[in-house]
Formats: sequence, C-alpha cells, structure tokens
Amino acid sequence: SSELTQDPAVSVALGQTVRITCQGDSLRSYYASWYQQKPGQAPVLVIYGKNNRPSGIPDRFSGSSSGNTASLTITGAQAEDEADYYCNSRDSSANVVFGGGTKLTVL
Amino acid sequence: QVQLVESGGGVVQPGRSLRLSCAASGFTFSSYGMHWVRQAPGKGLEWVAVISYDGSNKYYADSVKGRFTISRDNSKNTLYLQMNSLRAEDTAVYYCAKDLWELLLENAFDIWGQGTMVTVSS
Repeated sequence: SSELTQDPAVSVALGQTVRITCQGDSLRSYYASWYQQKPGQAPVLVIYGKNNRPSGIPDRFSGSSSGNTASLTITGAQAEDEADYYCNSRDSSANVVFGGGTKLTVL
Repeated sequence: QVQLVESGGGVVQPGRSLRLSCAASGFTFSSYGMHWVRQAPGKGLEWVAVISYDGSNKYYADSVKGRFTISRDNSKNTLYLQMNSLRAEDTAVYYCAKDLWELLLENAFDIWGQGTMVTVSS
C-alpha cells in the first residue's frame, strides 16, 4: 500500500480555522478517514467518506479532497481540539495505511 | 453499549509468541470487518491486519506478513491476533477496531478498544 504524508505539527489560534492535509497516491481513488487521538486515549473517528461526521462529532470538523490530497478543516478551533490527527486510506486489496500524524496545538 | 475490549498483552522475549484477543459487544459482530492497529511508544498509528466479516478474507501489513495471523470466532464475538517470531520492533499498544460499513472492508474505523500493551524484550 502507498504512503500517506502529513505535516508533523500545525498550530492555530483559539477560534481560528486550521487545515490539516494528507497526501498520497491512494487518495486519487479512495477517500481518507480522519482520526483524533488525545494522550493516553484510543483514536476517535472524526471524518469519513466524502465529508461525513460520526454522531457526536462537532460540525466544526469537515473534510475535503482534491487529487492526491485530503484535508481536515477545523473551523473555529477549540482548546479541546488540541490532539494528534491521523489520516488513513486503503488500496484495492483492502490494505490500509495511516499517515504519520499531525500534532495540532491550539494557541 | 458498543464496546471492544482487548486482552492478552504482556512482556515476551524476542522470538516467542503471544495471542491477543478482542471481545466485542453491543453490535452484530458477525456483520463487520475487524482490524488490528498498533502504536509503538511515542509513535504514530500503524495498521496491522484486517479480517472480513465471515473470516474469508485476510490482509496484512508487510511488516507482519508471515508472522502474524488474524482470526475470528463469530460464535464468541471475539477477534484474535496470533503473533509469532516476535521482534523488539513489535513493541506497541495493539488496538482492535471495527469497520464502519457492514459486510465491507474499508478504512473508516468507528469503534476502537482501549488497547493492550505488548513489550518484546529479553
């Protein structure tokens, strides 16, 4: 399965908008899913498919995709959004790959 | 409630074996693909393996292919990961995760267990 590349760290001022990106060839064919992970906790699915949020995920989280790049956007970042964010994708054989993760700091 | 609970982790010597279990409850286990994902200390997530809802299809990361085996017992609502020939680089928290879509194998994992730690060390 191909690799997914994420920026290691991103910061955002409280209440502002931040975009976290994920690049990889598999994203030309398959949607990325996005996960939030806080220290000592299991990951939580925040975005899947074209732009779908599981129940309980605030609507300030949204997803988009263009070419080989998927993006997670947080509109009006809150202090509780500070976490590591991971994208993943799949290939035609159902193998899955995760990006390296992005550490989001809310200033 | 929907829940996954892993067990079986521990400290093991290099070259030895370990079997992890993941007990599912609160959903129709036999209708969903299931995954194992691991996270080495201070590192990112690494997908390990997936098994289809009926156990007929299994896929593995290159890093574990030939050493790890994923399986399931739908009568017991339990997922397994048999880990053989363990190496120091297999040291990680191992999570089981449920696929979002019924009967399909995709990359949206909507339910995760709390994880079980595996330490490979002499």
